[in-house]
Amino acid sequence: GAGVSQSPRYKVAKRGRDVALRCDSISGHVTLYWYRQTLGQGSEVLTYSQSDAQRDKSGRPSGRFSAERPERSVSTLKIQRTEQGDSAVYLCASSRHGTSGVEDTGELFFGEGSRLTVL
Amino acid sequence: EDQVTQSPEALRLQEGESSSLNCSYTVSGLRGLFWYRQDPGKGPEFLFTLYSAGEEKEKERLKATLTKKESFLHITAPKPEDSATYLCAVQGLFFIAGGTSYGKLTFGQGTILTVHP
Repeated sequence: GAGVSQSPRYKVAKRGRDVALRCDSISGHVTLYWYRQTLGQGSEVLTYSQSDAQRDKSGRPSGRFSAERPERSVSTLKIQRTEQGDSAVYLCASSRHGTSGVEDTGELFFGEGSRLTVL
Repeated sequence: EDQVTQSPEALRLQEGESSSLNCSYTVSGLRGLFWYRQDPGKGPEFLFTLYSAGEEKEKERLKATLTKKESFLHITAPKPEDSATYLCAVQGLFFIAGGTSYGKLTFGQGTILTVHP
């Protein structure tokens, strides 16, 4: 399809294990975002990258979350040493535009999310 | 830090009963305010972008308005298929060394809208 797809849709992990979530974005889109969505805290950005470079690791806790972009339209969110508080829906979103200068990032196109449950 | 607060948390309407959702925000420099719709088990779907106070956008039964402190999403004569969670997000500005500006989206917690037939 032409949309953003994420895999796996559901993931159960034992506390302390590392987890990798994949996002295939829309061809030609420049910026990829990872958001974490929970009932209590809404949606918060974890990291985003423009083209091939990872721009930012903002998020809580930033040290355990990182994103790699092996290809322009593919991103992998890695969560190290998972904790129960990491249980959430992880949403990937992409944008046609970059995030610098006067460019307008415009709308984001979201995937359906990966629901992570940490036991 | 940019902040977005949406109210009410949940809203139940009868079909045809018009109402409004509120999004209050604080941001150091507003590049844009976005409204998204999210259905259960799906990712958010873009509805509108508003850039400056006084701007309005319409789409079917929805109209979004913007002031310097808040945005409203007005729903006119809603139908059951309008039931969803409506998310508001602001795109702010921040600067890094070299003067380049970047925008990140900060989302509110959403308003769960239920429209009964």
